[in-house]
Amino acid sequence: NAGVTQTPKFRVLKTGQSMTLLCAQDMNHEYMYWYRQDPGMGLRLIHYSVGEGTTAKGEVPDGYNVSRLKKQNFLLGLESAAPSQTSVYFCASSYDLWGPRHFGDGTRLSIL
Amino acid sequence: GQQVMQIPQYQHVQEGEDFTTYCNSSTTLSNIQWYKQRPGGHPVFLIQLVKSGEVKKQKRLTFQFGEAKKNSSLHITATQTTDVGTYFCAGSLGSARQLTFGSGTQLTVLP
Repeated sequence: NAGVTQTPKFRVLKTGQSMTLLCAQDMNHEYMYWYRQDPGMGLRLIHYSVGEGTTAKGEVPDGYNVSRLKKQNFLLGLESAAPSQTSVYFCASSYDLWGPRHFGDGTRLSIL
Repeated sequence: GQQVMQIPQYQHVQEGEDFTTYCNSSTTLSNIQWYKQRPGGHPVFLIQLVKSGEVKKQKRLTFQFGEAKKNSSLHITATQTTDVGTYFCAGSLGSARQLTFGSGTQLTVLP
């Protein structure tokens, strides 16, 4: 079982460029999350979804957009990348809304 | 806003020694969750505590939720090199939307 799969694993962008991070889960989970992790800090919730076609803002949503067109996929978009968005991004899923249970391997994103 | 503080930030122990990390919240929590993250890896969910005074064990790991539901601890007995990593607590006022992560305790186990 793959669990939660994130692509790409690494990416370097220039300021102002846009990109989409992909997340796929094969556990039929309703709930999916996008977090960012910065050095020396815990995870911060960017956006989350409680089911296909639904999304909601988390703690740090500015500069990001998300979409959940299919239950198994949760996409995170950066419209105009900024250096402050340099981080490690983790996608996660769960069977309930208590919190993330299964994480992907992360995407290491650098904005120059 | 809700704050979750975790201490210590770093801990080095000799293999076989015990280890404890503490988590304190500024507000009463509905539940607390613990995660482990190996260096370069992704977080792995360990456990969720819900009840006041709850104690749960997983082999050498003991998790405790305070009576006032504002603090929690993770204790590892007789550490092994496989315990290396950062341990995060995350306190919630209800749902995942209200889950706040601590900054983690980085554990190093010296052989």
